[in-house]
Amino acid sequence: EAGVAQSPRYKIIEKRQSVAFWCNPISGHATLYWYQQILGQGPKLLIQFQNNGVVDDSQLPKDRFSAERLKGVDSTLKIQPAKLEDSAVYLCASSRPSNTGELFFGEGSRLTVL
Amino acid sequence: SQQGEEDPQALSIQEGENATMNCSYKTSINNLQWYRQNSGRGLVHLILIRSNEREKHSGRLRVTLDTSKKSSSLLITASRAADTASYFCATDGEGAQKLVFGQGTRLTINP
Repeated sequence: EAGVAQSPRYKIIEKRQSVAFWCNPISGHATLYWYQQILGQGPKLLIQFQNNGVVDDSQLPKDRFSAERLKGVDSTLKIQPAKLEDSAVYLCASSRPSNTGELFFGEGSRLTVL
Repeated sequence: SQQGEEDPQALSIQEGENATMNCSYKTSINNLQWYRQNSGRGLVHLILIRSNEREKHSGRLRVTLDTSKKSSSLLITASRAADTASYFCATDGEGAQKLVFGQGTRLTINP
């Protein structure tokens, strides 16, 4: 099966600009996750979708971050306006409906904010 | 919040030696998972151990779980250069289907 697709792989912007990341999960995976991974740290969950509904967005900085999963398939994560501390890798993951617990990750989108 | 804490933060060993990484967590869990991340790549699932299991094997990987101590260990036997990566434990103690990752152990295998 095809893996989780993410784009772009790399993005460099200046602070206060906006950026959007796209994720296409594995076909049939109902649950989709966006994680933020700052260099040298573990991934931190930003938002979790079940189909097109939000399950958990408690750690999403809602004043600047937004995410949507229209039609319950692919998803976009937007940052507007970006801050220096948003420099990180944004990882998308998905999991099967039966939820064995295993997450399948994409390669990530590396954001650098100057 | 970081549920799991890995120890050590970094580990460097010679090829062929065994590598052991530890993970401690705070709340009750249903299962604990280990993931590997090669530099610049996404995370790859290695193994899942349920709360009612004490030990699990997969190839050269051995995972133990001690729920009384809220800790787990990952043993990689006969290490290879390709095992060089960061290893993360993840737990679901904060809610169904919500995985929380630790800070990771950076493993370097020297040829």
